[in-house]
Amino acid sequence: DTGVSQNPRHKITKRGQNVTFRCDPISEHNRLYWYRQTLGQGPEFLTYFQNEAQLEKSRLLSDRFSAERPKGSFSTLEIQRTEQGDSAMYLCASSLAGTSEKLFFGSGTQLSVL
Amino acid sequence: DAKTTQPPSMDCAEGRAANLPCNHSTISGNEYVYWYRQIHSQGPQYIIHGLKNNETNEMASLIITEDRKSSTLILPHATLRDTAVYYCIVRGSTSGTYKYIFGTGTRLKVLA
Repeated sequence: DTGVSQNPRHKITKRGQNVTFRCDPISEHNRLYWYRQTLGQGPEFLTYFQNEAQLEKSRLLSDRFSAERPKGSFSTLEIQRTEQGDSAMYLCASSLAGTSEKLFFGSGTQLSVL
Repeated sequence: DAKTTQPPSMDCAEGRAANLPCNHSTISGNEYVYWYRQIHSQGPQYIIHGLKNNETNEMASLIITEDRKSSTLILPHATLRDTAVYYCIVRGSTSGTYKYIFGTGTRLKVLA
């Protein structure tokens, strides 16, 4: 399978714990996006990378959230000191930069904070 | 904020055409219209996109009005598997960003 891969698929954690998610994009894609989605809402933009550079970060993203994309390949999203409000589906997407680029999404990581 | 407006829900009979409208009255000249859909518990899936001309692919057709202020996604023969949330997105470099901004979409239910 050469699609976007996200791990883990599900994560249950206790409030205050740190969690880290991983995203493996399609290999030749140079852009990588992170989104968050809660029930009944569309995906909400968090951040995106072009190669290893983080080009934009949502103002909604608190400093408890950090994302990295070392070497411009896989990416990790870490949430420190999780809160119940962080419970959501975290989606990763990758694309090849261009004027009419298409996003390819992974199946997401469902986070539940107890 | 999303730059598009879509009806929250629609029903369509199986085998009939599903026509999903989208308003994007503030679209700029170099912004594309994209459509994605999301089936329950999966990530969004790309359907089609266009700039000015109508487009067709194996999944759907996209009709963009001449003034580009609205568009319609057409699923020519809807099946039960087309039941999903459909998102219309306007994206380009006008605002200096390339991110996709999703709204709440249209929940399409295909009825047997």
